[in-house]
Amino acid sequence: KAGVTQTPRYLIKTRGQQVTLSCSPISGHRSVSWYQQTPGQGLQFLFEYFSETQRNKGNFPGRFSGRQFSNSRSEMNVSTLELGDSALYLCASSLVGTANSGNTIYFGEGSWLTVV
Amino acid sequence: QQQVKQSPQSLIVQKGGISIINCAYENTAFDYFPWYQQFPGKGPALLIAIRPDVSEKKEGRFTISFNKSAKQFSLHIMDSQPGDSATYFCAAGTYKYIFGTGTRLKVLA
Repeated sequence: KAGVTQTPRYLIKTRGQQVTLSCSPISGHRSVSWYQQTPGQGLQFLFEYFSETQRNKGNFPGRFSGRQFSNSRSEMNVSTLELGDSALYLCASSLVGTANSGNTIYFGEGSWLTVV
Repeated sequence: QQQVKQSPQSLIVQKGGISIINCAYENTAFDYFPWYQQFPGKGPALLIAIRPDVSEKKEGRFTISFNKSAKQFSLHIMDSQPGDSATYFCAAGTYKYIFGTGTRLKVLA
């Protein structure tokens, strides 16, 4: 069974540009969440999608957005990139996303974004 | 209410020793407490997880101890090996997880 796949793995963007990252969840998983990982802030929750609907959102500015498609694949977009957006962006999938299921989430290997 | 505090930030252990990492949470609504292991250049991988209805869970050399009244849980790595050298994250939540800040473990050969 394939794991969570993220593309691209590495990318360099210029300040002010926008970027789109892609995530393919584990087959059968309907919940996809995104995290930002930086040395200073650790792992921070961006948002979670379930059945194409955003159910939860972290404390990030509106420049960070996402969407989920009918096949559960997800994309996140960051517009007007800032130097501080340089980070590892991790996608995670889980089977279902009910509130009290204690779902195991499985991470992809991430997309390394460098903003110059 | 939403913080998960993890300590220590870094840990050096001799091969064969016990590594202990501690976490504390605030939100009593959290009902799932996983630990993740992350190697450089890789995404975090689930190591072991516990629910609040049990006080301890063991899988091989890895044990989670859970203290519901104190709102604390810890990871014990018995007989630590150099291959265990990685960053460990605790997390707490339901379907949205709050992660601790991570512990960088180095096991000396």
